[in-house]
Amino acid sequence: KAGVTQTPRYLIKTRGQQVTLSCSPISGHRSVSWYQQTPGQGLQFLFEYFSETQRNKGNFPGRFSGRQFSNSRSEMNVSTLELGDSALYLCASSSDGVNEQFFGPGTRLTVL
Amino acid sequence: TQLLEQSPQFLSIQEGENLTVYCNSSSVFSSLQWYRQEPGEGPVLLVTVVTGGEVKKLKRLTFQFGDARKDSSLHITAAQPGDTGLYLCAGGSNYQLIWGAGTKLIIKP
Repeated sequence: KAGVTQTPRYLIKTRGQQVTLSCSPISGHRSVSWYQQTPGQGLQFLFEYFSETQRNKGNFPGRFSGRQFSNSRSEMNVSTLELGDSALYLCASSSDGVNEQFFGPGTRLTVL
Repeated sequence: TQLLEQSPQFLSIQEGENLTVYCNSSSVFSSLQWYRQEPGEGPVLLVTVVTGGEVKKLKRLTFQFGDARKDSSLHITAAQPGDTGLYLCAGGSNYQLIWGAGTKLIIKP
């Protein structure tokens, strides 16, 4: 079956702009999680959506938001971009949010 | 707050050597997963352990879950350059995964 897809793969924005990233999970998976990863660092958990509801949330400011649609596809939005938001944003799909996470290739966001 | 601490944070060794990385917590987890991430890619699951004391082997990699299900270790025998990557552990609890910060492993030829 098809893997997790993320679009776009690369994005360059300037400070103050906003950005929307998209994630299509594996068919049948109801959980989508989003992570931020800066160079050489581990995964910082942003939030998890399960059946269109945000079930878990990490410690990020309100500028970071997300949603999940009825087909399980998810979007993540970052408003008023800051230089420190430059990172690789990974989404992962799972059947239940706790079992194996299947990761997409990520969206590399650069904020200038 | 549940935390998973991984050690060491960074390890650089020669090909052929053995190594062990650790994942420790004061919390009990219902399961523990190990992932490997290569540069430019998302993490990929290596193994899931669910039973206290469980040992799983994946070729030259041996994973162990502590008896109390609070800690885990990954042992690599005769490391190869292809083992290079970021190793992440994640503990499952209450419908969420808690992630460690990772161990960056470099195997030099």
